[in-house]
Amino acid sequence: GQNIDQPTEMTATEGAIVQINCTYQTSGFNGLFWYQQHAGEAPTFLSYNVLDGLEEKGRFSSFLSRSKGYSYLLLKELQMKDSASYLCAVILRGSTLGRLYFGRGTQLTVWP
Amino acid sequence: DAGVTQSPTHLIKTRGQQVTLRCSPKSGHDTVSWYQQALGQGPQFIFQYYEEEERQRGNFPDRFSGHQFPNYSSELNVNALLLGDSALYLCASSLDLTGYTGELFFGEGSRLTVL
Repeated sequence: GQNIDQPTEMTATEGAIVQINCTYQTSGFNGLFWYQQHAGEAPTFLSYNVLDGLEEKGRFSSFLSRSKGYSYLLLKELQMKDSASYLCAVILRGSTLGRLYFGRGTQLTVWP
Repeated sequence: DAGVTQSPTHLIKTRGQQVTLRCSPKSGHDTVSWYQQALGQGPQFIFQYYEEEERQRGNFPDRFSGHQFPNYSSELNVNALLLGDSALYLCASSLDLTGYTGELFFGEGSRLTVL
């Protein structure tokens, strides 16, 4: 089976930087997604990494190391609205987009 | 442009009953995937429908079944409900392109409580 691991909870203060890690052990890895999910809402797409390295998109950046089976999501200049669950998800080679393997999510709480 | 819409948003059933959940995909999308998200967990893939056929299935029993209609909308049916079926059921739509790296669009979900 596929194994995707991320911390259950993290806390940080407004204006700070936080890094949410994700490690994975899968067969036929193709790429890794990060989603944000506010309580009671749909997951929304943040980033997709298929090659090693850092992808920056405004306050959010995502990093991937295929050889280490490791990714992180970096959130800068934290705002209260960033309090949410952050989901790491893997897509396998040959799979269609709708078939993702998710971690359990990291609940981030941002304090004033 | 409407995104993915699901109905109902909340429902309560008792053990042994049957439930049907509905999903309309984002305009232009032809593939619908269903996920179960238990409280405090990540979404777990149930199955995917394309061209009115179940194309892929996750590790869920046969009590979970589905259907896709010619207009690409979809239903998820769960028979003989168990307490453990209580969860948020998410529908996601996409285009049928292997390795497509665009966005997978999720609906707001249907929150099922089994008593």
